[in-house]
Amino acid sequence: DAKTTQPNSMESNEEEPVHLPCNHSTISGTDYIHWYRQLPSQGPEYVIHGLTSNVNNRMASLAIAEDRKSSTLILHRATLRDAAVYYCILRDVGRGAQKLVFGQGTRLTINP
Amino acid sequence: NAGVTQTPKFQVLKTGQSMTLQCAQDMNHEYMSWYRQDPGMGLRLIHYSVGAGITDQGEVPNGYNVSRSTTEDFPLRLLSAAPSQTSVYFCASSFSGLAGLRAEKETQYFGPGTRLLVL
Repeated sequence: DAKTTQPNSMESNEEEPVHLPCNHSTISGTDYIHWYRQLPSQGPEYVIHGLTSNVNNRMASLAIAEDRKSSTLILHRATLRDAAVYYCILRDVGRGAQKLVFGQGTRLTINP
Repeated sequence: NAGVTQTPKFQVLKTGQSMTLQCAQDMNHEYMSWYRQDPGMGLRLIHYSVGAGITDQGEVPNGYNVSRSTTEDFPLRLLSAAPSQTSVYFCASSFSGLAGLRAEKETQYFGPGTRLLVL
């Protein structure tokens, strides 16, 4: 599985936008970029995913570089509830199975 | 829908004891999996199943057994517990196969976790 690199931690203020970066320089053509987050003492939850084009949903936006070697998860207006560990994961849909390989993720702290 | 449920929430075992962690889902998902998460670490895949009667090993399968007799249930058995198996265990489920950009098909749903302490 292709690897991703994320900063260990980031900090932001409530009601400000947050940009969480992810590098995936060895991404293959069939890898989808997934983001999950894990709130304290909970299981991970899906945030967003994409292939080549930028994606938006009610939780966040995903900006994908033109060469697909990096991506950025954007939380438009952070709240205290967004404090979590955010995981950037590549999933090879060519393999068919839904295996997710989790790295260390980025621990996001939101200041009131 | 109850989603993915796990029992028990917390368990203490002595070294050498066996136990079964239960996982159930009511979303008719073909794919189910078990992860473990050690303190300060990301999740690691133990076993997974793409449908009833089909299971396969993940990254860290040693010391664990699984079976999938129904679509709904995917129990994880610890054969002889060791302190190294102290961890939080998460079960997940999703649709299987190629889902592409459809979020409802790609999303994996995780249970609340079982915290296991082996003394």
